[in-house]
Amino acid sequence: DTGVSQDPRHKITKRGQNVTFRCDPISEHNRLYWYRQTLGQGPEFLTYFQNEAQLEKSRLLSDRFSAERPKGSFSTLEIQRTEQGDSAMYLCASSSDGETQYFGPGTRLLVL
Amino acid sequence: AQSVTQLGSHVSVSEGALVLLRCNYSSSVPPYLFWYVQYPNQGLQLLLKYTSAATLVKGINGFEAEFKKSETSFHLTKPSAHMSDAAEYFCAVSPGDTGKLIFGQGTTLQVKP
Repeated sequence: DTGVSQDPRHKITKRGQNVTFRCDPISEHNRLYWYRQTLGQGPEFLTYFQNEAQLEKSRLLSDRFSAERPKGSFSTLEIQRTEQGDSAMYLCASSSDGETQYFGPGTRLLVL
Repeated sequence: AQSVTQLGSHVSVSEGALVLLRCNYSSSVPPYLFWYVQYPNQGLQLLLKYTSAATLVKGINGFEAEFKKSETSFHLTKPSAHMSDAAEYFCAVSPGDTGKLIFGQGTTLQVKP
C-alpha cells in the first residue's frame, strides 16, 4: 500500500490554458474525492466518485471543470480555460468505507 | 446544513504546554467528526475520528478529542506540546452517506521553544 498519489505535484500555467491532474487512489478503495484548498482556508469539496460513477458535484465545480474515473481506479480532473482564481491546491482522497479518507500530497496550481 | 467553526486561526504554545484547539460543529444528524493535520506543502493526515462510539477519542501522536453533544464541540487536546506538532490543524464533519468532508478554516499551531 503506497498511499494516494497525485501527479503533477506542481503546475504553472498561463491563463486560458487547459490543465489535467491525475490521482491514483489506494488500491481497492472504491470511493474517490476531489477537494480544492486555497491559501489560508480549509479544503472545499468538489466531487465524489463511487467506482466509476460520479455521484456528487459541488456548485464550486463550474462548467470549466470536469472529472472522470473511467475504470473505477485512477481519476483525472481537468480545468479548461484556466483563470487566476483557479490557483489553489487540488487534493485527492480515497476511502474504502466512506468513513475514513486518506489524502494525497496534492497538486499545487498557479495560473499566471 | 452541516458546518464547522474553528475558534482561533492561530494558537501559540510553549513546548511542553497543553495544546487545546477548538472546534464546534453544526449538524442536523449525528455526525462523524474528524481532526486532520497538514504540514507545509503536504496533504492531510488523519489524527483521529469520532463515529458515535466512545465520546473520548484517542489519536496518533498523543492527541485526543472529546465529543460533547450538548456543546456541539469536538475540541482537540494534547497534554504536552512538541516542536514537531507545529502545523495546520483542520476539524471536519461528514454528513454521512457519501462521506464527503466539510472542513473548518483551520488553526495554525505554533510551538515555541
